[in-house]
Amino acid sequence: GESVGLHLPTLSVQEGDNSIINCAYSNSASDYFIWYKQESGKGPQFIIDIRSNMDKRQGQRVTVLLNKTVKHLSLQIAATQPGDSAVYFCAERYNNNDMRFGAGTRLTVKP
Amino acid sequence: NAGVMQNPRHLVRRRGQEARLRCSPMKGHSHVYWYRQLPEEGLKFMVYLQKENIIDESGMPKERFSAEFPKEGPSILRIQQVVRGDSAAYFCASSPEQGVIRETQYFGPGTRLLVL
Repeated sequence: GESVGLHLPTLSVQEGDNSIINCAYSNSASDYFIWYKQESGKGPQFIIDIRSNMDKRQGQRVTVLLNKTVKHLSLQIAATQPGDSAVYFCAERYNNNDMRFGAGTRLTVKP
Repeated sequence: NAGVMQNPRHLVRRRGQEARLRCSPMKGHSHVYWYRQLPEEGLKFMVYLQKENIIDESGMPKERFSAEFPKEGPSILRIQQVVRGDSAAYFCASSPEQGVIRETQYFGPGTRLLVL
């Protein structure tokens, strides 16, 4: 899940396993969501997005699920690799213009 | 097709000096955003600019911080009289516009500011 505190939630998985990273967003009127990946010392990198009129969207090895009823977003990474180790955070757009970013979850992949 | 560019990547300043951070958006993008990130924390919005206009500066500290996006050249985030608490990573993002809705923001590599 997301945290605004000083210590990011962490998820540790074995190489080859599937990873699920969760995000609880705040605004029921948000209409667009993005997952970003941030590696150490680098800027956030766009992974996948989804609009509020969809429940699921798939990319290469990644799937985003949106549950508007409980305002929950998840990112699934299939066959997790060491290169997937990073901080993942979600962003929501509301009022057509404003974006809000979560603090993120740190994913560690063990070889 | 170059992405968002930021320079310098690392900047060291002594207390009281000025810091200037530059951001060149992706080609074709007319919107620029500045964010600040402390270690182990999320991105904190600072300011949103279009060419020659500040659209939203609700995240900017009231003093010492300013931003501009001139008609020609990069966007500049300026921090005057830096203090140790200004040490952070500063990220710039840009986005195109479709109608009145701003689309996905693409981030630069960031500038890591260290105030001694």
